[in-house]
Amino acid sequence: AQTVTQSQPEMSVQEAETVTLSCTYDTSENNYYLFWYKQPPSRQMILVIRQEAYKQQNATENRFSVNFQKAAKSFSLKISDSQLGDTAMYFCARISGTYKYIFGTGTRLKVLA
Amino acid sequence: KAGVTQTPRYLIKTRGQQVTLSCSPISGHRSVSWYQQTPGQGLQFLFEYFSETQRNKGNFPGRFSGRQFSNSRSEMNVSTLELGDSALYLCASLRAPGTDTQYFGPGTRLTVL
Repeated sequence: AQTVTQSQPEMSVQEAETVTLSCTYDTSENNYYLFWYKQPPSRQMILVIRQEAYKQQNATENRFSVNFQKAAKSFSLKISDSQLGDTAMYFCARISGTYKYIFGTGTRLKVLA
Repeated sequence: KAGVTQTPRYLIKTRGQQVTLSCSPISGHRSVSWYQQTPGQGLQFLFEYFSETQRNKGNFPGRFSGRQFSNSRSEMNVSTLELGDSALYLCASLRAPGTDTQYFGPGTRLTVL
C-alpha cells in the first residue's frame, strides 16, 4: 500500500527556535508532488509548502523549508524562528499516480512561549 | 476570491438518520474531494469528483455517497448514521485533478448520538 508516514505524533519547540518535522513516503513513481499542510486549532487546513519531485532544489517559503531526499523517500519540514502562531497540526501528503492525495497521520506541534 | 465554503458547520444527528453535507469550491475550480478526519485515523479520503463524475473513491462503505453538480458544488450523503461516523468532514477544491494544490474548507463537524 502506498503510505505517508509521520513518525512524530507530537512535538514542541521554544519560540524563536528551529524545529524539523519528519515525513517518509512510499512510491514507485518517478514524478509526483509532495505537500505540507497546516491545520491550526481553528481547523482550517492551509498549504504550507509544496515540492515537485523532479526538482532537485528544496522548496522554501519564508521561514518554512523542506529537506527533500528523493532516494530516501524523505520529505521533512523545517520551521525556523518558530512563532506562537505556528502551533498546529501538520500533515505531510503526496499525490498518488491516480491523482489521489495520501496524507500522513499528522504531527501536533506546540510552540512554547 | 472567495474560499471553499462548507455548510452546515456543525450537525448533531442520531443513529440511523441520514445527513447531507454541502461544499462550494473556489470559483473556477472543478474538482472537489471529501475527507473524513478523526483523532484516531487522521485524514481518510472519501471520494473525488471532477466535472460531475466520481474519479476516485476511498475505502468507505456504500452508506457514504456523493455527487457534484454542473456548477461544481458538491454534496456528500451519509445514510444510516453510526456512532463511528462522528468526525470532521473536510472538503477540498482544486482547479483540476492531479498536480494542483488542494484548498480546504473549514469543515463540517458531525456528531452522531
